[in-house]
Amino acid sequence: AQSVTQPDIHITVSEGASLELRCNYSYGATPYLFWYVQSPGQGLQLLLKYFSGDTLVQGIKGFEAEFKRSQSSFNLRKPSVHWSDAAEYFCAVVPPTSGTYKYIFGTGTRLKVLA
Amino acid sequence: EAGVTQFPSHSVIEKGQTVTLRCDPISGHDNLYWYRRVMGKEIKFLLHFVKESKQDESGMPNNRFLAERTGGTYSTLKVQPAELEDSGVYFCASSQGLNQPQHFGDGTRLSIL
Repeated sequence: AQSVTQPDIHITVSEGASLELRCNYSYGATPYLFWYVQSPGQGLQLLLKYFSGDTLVQGIKGFEAEFKRSQSSFNLRKPSVHWSDAAEYFCAVVPPTSGTYKYIFGTGTRLKVLA
Repeated sequence: EAGVTQFPSHSVIEKGQTVTLRCDPISGHDNLYWYRRVMGKEIKFLLHFVKESKQDESGMPNNRFLAERTGGTYSTLKVQPAELEDSGVYFCASSQGLNQPQHFGDGTRLSIL
């Protein structure tokens, strides 16, 4: 079945350490790809998106993501995590055949940052 | 510019009652989406409006849910009668064009007792 997978439900890193959050999708063609972040009590905020072109995408708050077609992945990275990055992160896709551009979400990864 | 706003932020009602959630999209955004996250599960699509027309309501759970977008501005999502399994966080999102990223509201946390 077509889906979006975030294998890690919880991740804990120390402040200043690097971070990588995984996202894999299973669609025949490349979907549109997004990463969103939800801080406690807030809505989802767009970090970055990939439609086509350069496979390394820069986003807000120092985040970047790399699209790898061969691995059907769109992993989110940050070189040095700050305590304020503690939140839940969602990978979302718009399937290539979607006429309404509705999002299909992964289950989310909750990030905890240790001081 | 104002973001997507949702009312109320939290609603607690008893099983069998009726609740109406409201979403005000960003001004000028023709596309409006409703999503829901049930505890422990992923965020799931409910339906999509373009202006006042329903384009896709394939995610609506059953006929106890009714969504409207009168005049193509704000939207309401009514649950009548509410059941325990309707508890969750309901998100609204809007976008200017179909291929533009969606902007999300803070959500309405619905608790059915």
